[in-house]
Amino acid sequence: DGGITQSPKYLFRKEGQNVTLSCEQNLNHDAMYWYRQDPGQGLRLIYYSQIVNDFQKGDIAEGYSVSREKKESFPLTVTSAQKNPTAFYLCASSITRGQPQHFGDGTRLSIL
Amino acid sequence: AQKITQTQPGMFVQEKEAVTLDCTYDTSDQSYGLFWYKQPSSGEMIFLIYQGSYDEQNATEGRYSLNFQKARKSANLVISASQLGDSAMYFCAMRGSNFGNEKLTFGTGTRLTIIP
Repeated sequence: DGGITQSPKYLFRKEGQNVTLSCEQNLNHDAMYWYRQDPGQGLRLIYYSQIVNDFQKGDIAEGYSVSREKKESFPLTVTSAQKNPTAFYLCASSITRGQPQHFGDGTRLSIL
Repeated sequence: AQKITQTQPGMFVQEKEAVTLDCTYDTSDQSYGLFWYKQPSSGEMIFLIYQGSYDEQNATEGRYSLNFQKARKSANLVISASQLGDSAMYFCAMRGSNFGNEKLTFGTGTRLTIIP
């Protein structure tokens, strides 16, 4: 079945460590997105990519980095510069123009 | 800038009753889209319904309908004949008119609990 796969489901980070969250889609969607969700909050956009080898910062990009080397993949790295990384991270994709975004099941990141 | 406001942090509804979840929005764009998503306790975001700003009729998808009042900038979600499985967080979201930019702005959500 087509969909979006996020891994791992749970991730723990030590102080000063970079960690990478995986997002893969087989929907042949052009656009991909990373959101962060804090408890009791809505989703906030971290980064998005409309096409391969291109991406733009969202509303809260500081302390995060992404790459888009393949259409299917949009990994998110949470760097040591992100001082409050504990959150639920959701990846999404869409065909550009007007179609709803489809989401993965999320990765829950915690600090050790 | 776009803004979505959901003023109901939580709602309790008796099973089989209809429920309305409120959403108001603010934008200077002439063309925009409004979405509703459901987030169960497992965390995934499930797309429910979409309304375009130029759509003349209110969107409907099964038990879900969107009460779109453009002049009042409101896009309330109506769930008819609620079921226990409807218990979840519900988010209203907006997409602007910037071509090629499909990023969404989300509200803070409403936690709906269906009572047997």
